[in-house]
Amino acid sequence: GDSVTQMEGPVTLSEEAFLTINCTYTATGYPSLFWYVQYPGEGLQLLLKATKADDKGSNKGFEATYRKETTSFHLEKGSVQVSDSAVYFCALSDPLGKLIFGQGTELSVKP
Amino acid sequence: ETGVTQSPTHLIKTRGQQVTLRCSSQSGHNTVSWYQQALGQGPQFIFQYYREEENGRGNFPPRFSGLQFPNYSSELNVNALELDDSALYLCASSTAGTRDYNEQFFGPGTRLTVL
Repeated sequence: GDSVTQMEGPVTLSEEAFLTINCTYTATGYPSLFWYVQYPGEGLQLLLKATKADDKGSNKGFEATYRKETTSFHLEKGSVQVSDSAVYFCALSDPLGKLIFGQGTELSVKP
Repeated sequence: ETGVTQSPTHLIKTRGQQVTLRCSSQSGHNTVSWYQQALGQGPQFIFQYYREEENGRGNFPPRFSGLQFPNYSSELNVNALELDDSALYLCASSTAGTRDYNEQFFGPGTRLTVL
């Protein structure tokens, strides 16, 4: 079945460092891809999305490009802030609209 | 625009009991999905409701059931609670039949603890 694999955390960075969180997926069709963020004690917030190959999603300085050839959707940010500390989830959407999530990557940004 | 709301925020039950969790969808959304998030894990799809009918189900036993009401709000019911049911239960709403049907907006969740 469809699945999502993320790099394991926790990831610890200094403020203004470059961030990459790797995400790869397995799907029979052409799913939409998402990154969600979860702050401590809260629900999930949609960070960005891409609906077809080569699309780039972007929001709040974060970017991810839908790469069909490598089945990847890596999350990047050029300069992280302490306020970016959270758990990040990569997800795909099947034709029903069901979301399949990766296991999450915890990011900790130190001042 | 009102976002997705869930109640209660926290709940403590004992093994064998039954629980009902509630969700109000975001204004204009007609589809509700429920997810279970165990500690340190990604959310797992339980089921989805559209037009008051179940529209897909994940790998959860029948003691997990749900309802959707005409105003698109929803309930998740869990019978015969087990210790492993302890988790954060997330509700998400979306709009079927539109270009953004697969963009889901999540509520803050209900933290269920089973003792």
